[in-house]
Amino acid sequence: NAGVMQNPRHLVRRRGQEARLRCSPMKGHSHVYWYRQLPEEGLKFMVYLQKENIIDESGMPKERFSAEFPKEGPSILRIQQVVRGDSAAYFCASSPPSADSNSPLHFGNGTRLTVT
Amino acid sequence: QKEVEQNSGPLSVPEGAIASLNCTYSDRGSQSFFWYRQYSGKSPELIMFIYSNGDKEDGRFTAQLNKASQYVSLLIRDSQPSDSATYLCVNYGGSQGNLIFGKGTKLSVKP
Repeated sequence: NAGVMQNPRHLVRRRGQEARLRCSPMKGHSHVYWYRQLPEEGLKFMVYLQKENIIDESGMPKERFSAEFPKEGPSILRIQQVVRGDSAAYFCASSPPSADSNSPLHFGNGTRLTVT
Repeated sequence: QKEVEQNSGPLSVPEGAIASLNCTYSDRGSQSFFWYRQYSGKSPELIMFIYSNGDKEDGRFTAQLNKASQYVSLLIRDSQPSDSATYLCVNYGGSQGNLIFGKGTKLSVKP
């Protein structure tokens, strides 16, 4: 049973370009969460999605960042017009439909974004 | 704003010793706490969760929660070099999937 799959593992973008990060949840999981880990900082919650729905985006920056989880295919975190401050590790996690607030999250290995 | 504070370390212990990792949190009403382990370049993985005051033991790991003092700890008995990693203290943020992570304590177990 494959775990949470994220790709690419490493992504380099120049300032002003777009970054697309993909996440496939564990088999049978329908809830996806995105977290960002800045250098020397703890992981910060960004957004919680279910299929075709954004449930909680309270941690998303107001501009340039968007996320989707379509009916088919992986969840996508999209960063438009990247800036150097976007350089970070972006982790995706998933949980099953039966998950509640006390359910553990299963994390992927992350995408390390570097903006030059 | 809920916060979780940890000493960044590094905490160095000899093999076979007890490693003690500590954490304080700001939200007095918090109910759920988790300890995750993160190896360098890898994903965080859940080790323990604790909801009630007192101790919870699982193998070599013991989680301790003191809600009056707003204090959570993780004890690792018989530490092994393979335990060397960053340990993340995590508080439930109030909505599903919204976890508040500390910055982590780096543990180094010397053979």
